[in-house]
Amino acid sequence: DGGITQSPKYLFRKEGQNVTLSCEQNLNHDAMYWYRQDPGQGLRLIYYSQIVNDFQKGDIAEGYSVSREKKESFPLTVTSAQKNPTAFYLCASSMGQINEQFFGPGTRLTVL
Amino acid sequence: AQSVTQPDIHITVSEGASLELRCNYSYGATPYLFWYVQSPGQGLQLLLKYFSGDTLVQGIKGFEAEFKRSQSSFNLRKPSVHWSDAAEYFCAVVPFSGNTPLVFGKGTRLSVIA
Repeated sequence: DGGITQSPKYLFRKEGQNVTLSCEQNLNHDAMYWYRQDPGQGLRLIYYSQIVNDFQKGDIAEGYSVSREKKESFPLTVTSAQKNPTAFYLCASSMGQINEQFFGPGTRLTVL
Repeated sequence: AQSVTQPDIHITVSEGASLELRCNYSYGATPYLFWYVQSPGQGLQLLLKYFSGDTLVQGIKGFEAEFKRSQSSFNLRKPSVHWSDAAEYFCAVVPFSGNTPLVFGKGTRLSVIA
């Protein structure tokens, strides 16, 4: 079955620790995206990548970092510089930027 | 500024009643338009999309949307709502230039009552 997987579904970390969220797709999509979702805020774009070894900042990139070493994978690191990291994080992919995005199930990060 | 607006934060409808969720955009040229649905704690699922052509678009789960250029709107409709339709609905656009990724509205939460 083709799709997007995110792991883990729930993640707990202590304040000041970096944490990496996994996102893998087997849809052969070129573009991948990371969003943050907070209640009442909709989806806010953190980073996106249109091809391997290239990525761009979205609207709220501060305190986050990404890599795109493989087409299938686009991990997101939430660093200790992110002031309020507790949120629901969604990964998505698409054939190209104008095409519909397919979403993973999300990771809920709680920083204690 | 370019934006996507969903004026209704929360809507409650009775099961079996009709539904219309509003979406307006402010872009110079007609963008590519999408509606997504999200159940609590889940990812988003595409309901339908509009790129060009017929302005009435059919989607999954009995939903449809109508693009109205004169009103810069892309409203989502369903003739008869089922309890399982309770979820959050997001309108999203990609500017016609395709140079920037999908831009989402803030969402409309739909509650369905018996």
